[in-house]
Amino acid sequence: DTGVSQNPRHKITKRGQNVTFRCDPISEHNRLYWYRQTLGQGPEFLTYFQNEAQLEKSRLLSDRFSAERPKGSFSTLEIQRTEQGDSAMYLCASSPPEGPSYEKLFFGSGTQLSVL
Amino acid sequence: GESVGLHLPTLSVQEGDNSIINCAYSNSASDYFIWYKQESGKGPQFIIDIRSNMDKRQGQRVTVLLNKTVKHLSLQIAATQPGDSAVYFCAENTGNQFYFGTGTSLTVIP
Repeated sequence: DTGVSQNPRHKITKRGQNVTFRCDPISEHNRLYWYRQTLGQGPEFLTYFQNEAQLEKSRLLSDRFSAERPKGSFSTLEIQRTEQGDSAMYLCASSPPEGPSYEKLFFGSGTQLSVL
Repeated sequence: GESVGLHLPTLSVQEGDNSIINCAYSNSASDYFIWYKQESGKGPQFIIDIRSNMDKRQGQRVTVLLNKTVKHLSLQIAATQPGDSAVYFCAENTGNQFYFGTGTSLTVIP
């Protein structure tokens, strides 16, 4: 068990560019979550997958944001036409399908996005 | 809508003292709560959880208290150590989502 892995750890981009982040959840965790965190704030829910199905999306998730989990394993989060307000830490978390940790979120270290 | 808030944004304690971090929540339907610890540059790390049918749960050096009447959670850390310095978040679960509070920054003074 290597934990939730996120890449890249840091991303600097210019306004208007597209960026894509990757999340590899803990093996056999069927649920995967994306959160966004700005400085001094708690994580804000963006979207949630159960296996390959995207079951829930936050109203915070504008049309410029899209997330996929095509094979029910890793997930990608793409932001198109980035804006300075997109600068934040993007966190991925996963949860197992059953067992004592069923409801717990296990977080990765995040991808820090800076939009110049 | 749901809101989870913390009473104090910062807390400083002497090493060896006990720490108490408080959290208020507004959704009476929330039935599961987690305290997370987040160190600089890292993702949140699970500390302890509690269900709404309990009012107290103890772990190693940590205790969570839940008061459903006033919708209040607290995290008690016994014999606080320098390694406990971090930001602490409470999170409430309603359905498939967790809602996080703003966080309390705990600084342990050696």
